[in-house]
Amino acid sequence: QQPVQSPQAVILREGEDAVINCSSSKALYSVHWYRQKHGEAPVFLMILLKGGEQKGHDKISASFNEKKQQSSLYLTASQLSYSGTYFCGTALNQFYFGTGTSLTVIP
Amino acid sequence: DAGVIQSPRHEVTEMGQEVTLRCKPISGHNSLFWYRQTMMRGLELLIYFNNNVPIDDSGMPEDRFSAKMPNASFSTLKIQPSEPRDSAVYFCASSSDRGLFHEQYFGPGTRLTVT
Repeated sequence: QQPVQSPQAVILREGEDAVINCSSSKALYSVHWYRQKHGEAPVFLMILLKGGEQKGHDKISASFNEKKQQSSLYLTASQLSYSGTYFCGTALNQFYFGTGTSLTVIP
Repeated sequence: DAGVIQSPRHEVTEMGQEVTLRCKPISGHNSLFWYRQTMMRGLELLIYFNNNVPIDDSGMPEDRFSAKMPNASFSTLKIQPSEPRDSAVYFCASSSDRGLFHEQYFGPGTRLTVT
């Protein structure tokens, strides 16, 4: 029931864009996105509650395709501070974090 | 606000010993979550409480694990007896509602090492 994320890891140069995908074998009722820096706790980025919903702040945005049971996180013009592991999370009757995507931004 | 507070930050214990992890959620939050993070299994939800009542403990690995929330400002996760495979980072998180559909605020975590 754990959502699967892709890619597992990605390396970007500053200013490049990235997309992280999250897929579930079960119906999704909501999708959360978190970022965790090494040695720190996960930090909430955003939540999408409805199919078709899109959200964003700064240069990070996300979409939620309820029918396809998928969500994608878009990072544009990446900055060094974007480095970390990104997790999606899905809520059914419980809460499941995805497998994680390690993102490294280099100068 | 001070955020979610966890103690201790690091715990090293021998196999067979009892371990108690503590968590103070953000004031006013009525949902509390305990997670375990390992390289092999990632982030796993162990149990969550709403208004101090355990709602779902299906993630608790076995009877050696127990969690309590005696009041709105305090929760414990106990492992008795501890085993080396329990070594992990344990996070506590709180939320302003049932949490499944609201953002969760994580504490700094407790790194547990069982030798």
